[in-house]
Amino acid sequence: EAQVTQNPRYLITVTGKKLTVTCSQNMNHEYMSWYRQDPGLGLRQIYYSMNVEVTDKGDVPEGYKVSRKEKRNFPLILESPSPNQTSLYFCASSLMGPNVEKLFFGSGTQLSVL
Amino acid sequence: ILNVEQSPQSLHVQEGDSTNFTCSFPSSNFYALHWYRWETAKSPEALFVMTLNGDEKKKGRISATLNTKEGYSYLYIKGSQPEDSATYLCAFLGSNDYKLSFGAGTTVTVRA
Repeated sequence: EAQVTQNPRYLITVTGKKLTVTCSQNMNHEYMSWYRQDPGLGLRQIYYSMNVEVTDKGDVPEGYKVSRKEKRNFPLILESPSPNQTSLYFCASSLMGPNVEKLFFGSGTQLSVL
Repeated sequence: ILNVEQSPQSLHVQEGDSTNFTCSFPSSNFYALHWYRWETAKSPEALFVMTLNGDEKKKGRISATLNTKEGYSYLYIKGSQPEDSATYLCAFLGSNDYKLSFGAGTTVTVRA
């Protein structure tokens, strides 16, 4: 089944404890992206990647890191999480990029930083 | 951060009625406009990707129009059903990069 898989689904952590949210797609998509969703705000882009080893900042990249060492994986890394990073996170992918193709979203990761 | 606005923020519709709502976006440097449907506890699902001024897309009872010159898109739901209850998101892509900017969404509740 074609899908974008995110793990974990829920995560509670403490301030400063490094964490990684994984994202994997099995559709051979070139484009991958991370978003965060906060109440009253739209999905805000954190980072995106057009291809292996190519990543670019979105609108809210502060406090996050990403890597794209393989085409299928695009992990989101929080080196030192803070409470303002408590949010719902979505990974998404697209075959050629959002200029021509729709995004496929993962199931989301609800992160709470205490 | 680009200004993508959706109105109204929420609306209630009687089953069988039709409705529409708006997405406003920058009229300059336009490349594409996306619409997504997001049900509670699920992931957003794509409805349409629109790229041409005057474009009209249709999927079942849901359709969308696009005016890139004035910077707006309408989403229409014809004969609303309870299963249409969801938050509808639009997203703007400019021609300068691959950053997709989302609006805050319009939440539609269809009453039986």
